[in-house]
Amino acid sequence: GNSVTQMEGPVTLSEEAFLTINCTYTATGYPSLFWYVQYPGEGLQLLLKATKADDKGSNKGFEATYRKETTSFHLEKGSVQVSDSAVYFCAQSYSSASKIIFGSGTRLSIRP
Amino acid sequence: EPEVTQTPSHQVTQMGQEVILRCVPISNHLYFYWYRQILGQKVEFLVSFYNNEISEKSEIFDDQFSVERPDGSNFTLKIRSTKLEDSAMYFCASTKGQSTYNEQFFGPGTRLTVL
Repeated sequence: GNSVTQMEGPVTLSEEAFLTINCTYTATGYPSLFWYVQYPGEGLQLLLKATKADDKGSNKGFEATYRKETTSFHLEKGSVQVSDSAVYFCAQSYSSASKIIFGSGTRLSIRP
Repeated sequence: EPEVTQTPSHQVTQMGQEVILRCVPISNHLYFYWYRQILGQKVEFLVSFYNNEISEKSEIFDDQFSVERPDGSNFTLKIRSTKLEDSAMYFCASTKGQSTYNEQFFGPGTRLTVL
């Protein structure tokens, strides 16, 4: 069945470091791909999305490119801030009305 | 900006008791969902609801669970007889439609603790 696998956490970086969180997916067909963020004590927020192959989603300095050939959607940011500390979930869905399948989440901590 | 709201924020109950978790989706949305997140684990889909009926449910959503849209604004999840393993954060979500330009908006969650 469809699934999402993302790198295990926690990930701890210093402020201004480069961030990569790996995500791969298995799917029948071509789902939309998402990154959600969960800040401490809060719910899930959509960070970015890509709906077809080679699309790049971007928001708040974060980017991820939908790679059909490697079935990947890695999250990157060039210079992280302390305020980026959160749990990041990679996810897929066939449409906005379909269920979302989430990865296990990666906890990111940024040191000042 | 419109948002999904959930009440209560935290519910503590005894094993075997019934609980009702409440959600108010965004007003012009048509599709509604419940997800749950056991502490430290992934977010899991429970059920989707459209046009006053369940459109899809997961294996987790057994006979102990039910959903209802009792009026034009609320969307509820009922657990008839809670078990210890039902302790989790429960998220409600809603979306306007099936277009890829839409997104599911999530509420802040209800933390359910079963003792």
